[in-house]
Amino acid sequence: DAKTTQPTSMDCAEGRAANLPCNHSTISGNEYVYWYRQIHSQGPQYIIHGLKNNETNEMASLIITEDRKSSTLILPHATLRDTAVYYCIVRVLNTGGFKTIFGAGTRLFVKA
Amino acid sequence: DGGITQSPKYLFRKEGQNVTLSCEQNLNHDAMYWYRQDPGQGLRLIYYSQIVNDFQKGDIAEGYSVSREKKESFPLTVTSAQKNPTAFYLCASSMQSQETQYFGPGTRLLVL
Repeated sequence: DAKTTQPTSMDCAEGRAANLPCNHSTISGNEYVYWYRQIHSQGPQYIIHGLKNNETNEMASLIITEDRKSSTLILPHATLRDTAVYYCIVRVLNTGGFKTIFGAGTRLFVKA
Repeated sequence: DGGITQSPKYLFRKEGQNVTLSCEQNLNHDAMYWYRQDPGQGLRLIYYSQIVNDFQKGDIAEGYSVSREKKESFPLTVTSAQKNPTAFYLCASSMQSQETQYFGPGTRLLVL
């Protein structure tokens, strides 16, 4: 299974861009990179996903390196409400069906 | 509104008692999932179901049981065999097993 490595925590000033890195050096060619976030005591929320091209939506941008071994989630103008745990996930398909591996994630603190 | 709901928000269990957590979705999703989250940890997959009347064990299925009699419902029973059931339980659904997952608000289970 491809695994991901993320920093335990990060700080960001309100209004500035938050850049959250993720390493997934064992990713396979057909595996997507997904990002979710979880605000305290709530269910995770989908943010964005990509295969090899950079992606952007109303919430964030996803930059994937050319070798696909790492990626960065960018929140362009972080607000206090963006304080959450951010999970970088590589989708895995095993013979028994489907499995998603959620690690401990990065705890992002946005400060005023 | 379309979405995924879980009930109750908090649940208390006595030693040796079975309890059932509800998960309902009206998104017409085929796949549904149950995860367990312990404090400061990521999510671990308990069970998942790709289609009605079919389900598969995840990484930590021991002490849990599920049923999938209807497309919109995927209840989880925490049995007395689960020796450490205190945790935050999250249900999710997706259109197909490889699609984006949408999570419910979670149920926090506490053992008295």
